[in-house]
Amino acid sequence: GESVGLHLPTLSVQEGDNSIINCAYSNSASDYFIWYKQESGKGPQFIIDIRSNMDKRQGQRVTVLLNKTVKHLSLQIAATQPGDSAVYFCASDPGTYKYIFGTGTRLKVLA
Amino acid sequence: DVKVTQSSRYLVKRTGEKVFLECVQDMDHENMFWYRQDPGLGLRLIYFSYDVKMKEKGDIPEGYSVSREKKERFSLILESASTNQTSMYLCASSLVSYLNYGYTFGSGTRLTVV
Repeated sequence: GESVGLHLPTLSVQEGDNSIINCAYSNSASDYFIWYKQESGKGPQFIIDIRSNMDKRQGQRVTVLLNKTVKHLSLQIAATQPGDSAVYFCASDPGTYKYIFGTGTRLKVLA
Repeated sequence: DVKVTQSSRYLVKRTGEKVFLECVQDMDHENMFWYRQDPGLGLRLIYFSYDVKMKEKGDIPEGYSVSREKKERFSLILESASTNQTSMYLCASSLVSYLNYGYTFGSGTRLTVV
């Protein structure tokens, strides 16, 4: 069935290092992808999105890479800061407006 | 700047009670969604609505119903609360557009059923 999976449940990085969070999706019809950040006790917040006609998109300190061949996307956070500590999850839209969400990766930033 | 508002952050209800979770969005979005979020299971879709008075079941509708009488408001109803409905409930909305813009989520309601 459809699924969106994350490769690691927890990622610990040193403050100032770069973070890479990965996500795999199974539905090749997915044409839109989003990364969300969820801090403890809060709702998910939009970080960055990418459409299937792109393979890379950059925001402020964040980059999303999309590899449609292997159905994989990643979120890169440059110069990770303590405020980046949160759960990150990806979502894909298979064209139905009902997104498929991954289970999340918890990012811990070590001082 | 708040765009999707959930009426309660925390709720404690007794088993068997009828529970109403309210969600209001001010972005004139057509689509509205109710998810529950449990550790290790991610977000699971309970119900969604693509227009006023229209609703569709999601992946886990059992024990829930919804109401959308106005475009901006989407209510989730637990007909008879049970302890296995203890969870974080998230409301979201989205615009119907050929240019997909993603969901906007509310802050969530953490419901405990005792």
